[in-house]
Amino acid sequence: KQEVTQIPAALSVPEGENLVLNCSFTDSAIYNLQWFRQDPGKGLTSLLLIQSSQREQTSGRLNASLDKSSGRSTLYIAASQPGDSATYLCAYYNQGGKLIFGQGTELSVKP
Amino acid sequence: NAGVTQTPKFRILKIGQSMTLQCAQDMNHNYMYWYRQDPGMGLKLIYYSVGAGITDKGEVPNGYNVSRSTTEDFPLRLELAAPSQTSVYFCASSYQGGGGEGYTFGSGTRLTVV
Repeated sequence: KQEVTQIPAALSVPEGENLVLNCSFTDSAIYNLQWFRQDPGKGLTSLLLIQSSQREQTSGRLNASLDKSSGRSTLYIAASQPGDSATYLCAYYNQGGKLIFGQGTELSVKP
Repeated sequence: NAGVTQTPKFRILKIGQSMTLQCAQDMNHNYMYWYRQDPGMGLKLIYYSVGAGITDKGEVPNGYNVSRSTTEDFPLRLELAAPSQTSVYFCASSYQGGGGEGYTFGSGTRLTVV
């Protein structure tokens, strides 16, 4: 069964902290992996897409890594801000091209 | 450039009623998808389409139907609404399968069945 697990389910940090969100998956034959942000009551915003041949992607204060051999991806957020508060979803593309989602990590950054 | 547009944004249905959730994209994407998201959960694939005239079931298709008569539109039909279909529904599209360029998501339709 193709599963994605995100740890922790919820996280509360003070402003300015660096933090890591974890994602693990059971499927060893994944294609690409994508991190999304979801604000309450809103749709999904793509943050980073890691292609199959890549090991990491960076955008501003965000860095995502992918280790297919261990079935893990991490999203690193530097110098967190209250505006980063949202749910972060990890999802990978399986060999059939379908996007398999984790349940998300709900992040709260306190001023 | 509107991207993926979903209508309506909110809807309350009574048990047994039917409705169609609309999804349209203006990016000339071949692939379109319908997902549902239950509270505190990730998204689960309902149906998908790889092009006009072609649709296929995803992980949770029961109680839903789709059609793809044009490249732009991919409506989702609920024939006999049940409380278990209370969820947030997201439509997405991509130029190619396999996530080569990632998916673009609509803003969602929040459906409550009472």
